[in-house]
Amino acid sequence: TQLLEQSPQFLSIQEGENLTVYCNSSSVFSSLQWYRQEPGEGPVLLVTVVTGGEVKKLKRLTFQFGDARKDSSLHITAAQTGDTGLYLCAGVGAGGTSYGKLTFGQGTILTVHP
Amino acid sequence: EPEVTQTPSHQVTQMGQEVILRCVPISNHLYFYWYRQILGQKVEFLVSFYNNEISEKSEIFDDQFSVERPDGSNFTLKIRSTKLEDSAMYFCASTPGLYNEQFFGPGTRLTVL
Repeated sequence: TQLLEQSPQFLSIQEGENLTVYCNSSSVFSSLQWYRQEPGEGPVLLVTVVTGGEVKKLKRLTFQFGDARKDSSLHITAAQTGDTGLYLCAGVGAGGTSYGKLTFGQGTILTVHP
Repeated sequence: EPEVTQTPSHQVTQMGQEVILRCVPISNHLYFYWYRQILGQKVEFLVSFYNNEISEKSEIFDDQFSVERPDGSNFTLKIRSTKLEDSAMYFCASTPGLYNEQFFGPGTRLTVL
């Protein structure tokens, strides 16, 4: 069974601060996806990282996939109140028997105070 | 912009009753999924469906659960005899290809009393 450990579970910071959310596993994933989920809605994809060592930037958000494709991080620079929300990492299993099943981490509830 | 829709948004049922949760995936998508999220817990995979059959299912998806794509449009999840622990948000997702983005519906909140 593949597991993804996401940390921290809760993060409360002031506007303008930087933060990092981590996603770790002992399993290899073919890709790692980061989602944001608003209350009452389904998860919405932010980014997919596929190659070990890959770094992707989305404005103030930087996503990294570990060299061994077992871990990933999300770094937000100069957080804004609009970044407040639930962030989820999800891995797509490696190997031919995976039909795109996503394994989710526990999620990080981010609160950015003005 | 096309989106995945789910009905109802909230379903309340008595323990032991059957429920059917409905999803309309995006029209040209080929792979379909159900996930659930118990309050305060992580999103969990239930089942994947491709080419009119189940391609993968989790341990949660026992013989009380079934899925169907009856008319090429709807994708349904049936729970035959609901238990209290089935109370959760159920999300449907679809994707055009295995390594493409999965698009999630807004979810159905199932409450079993």
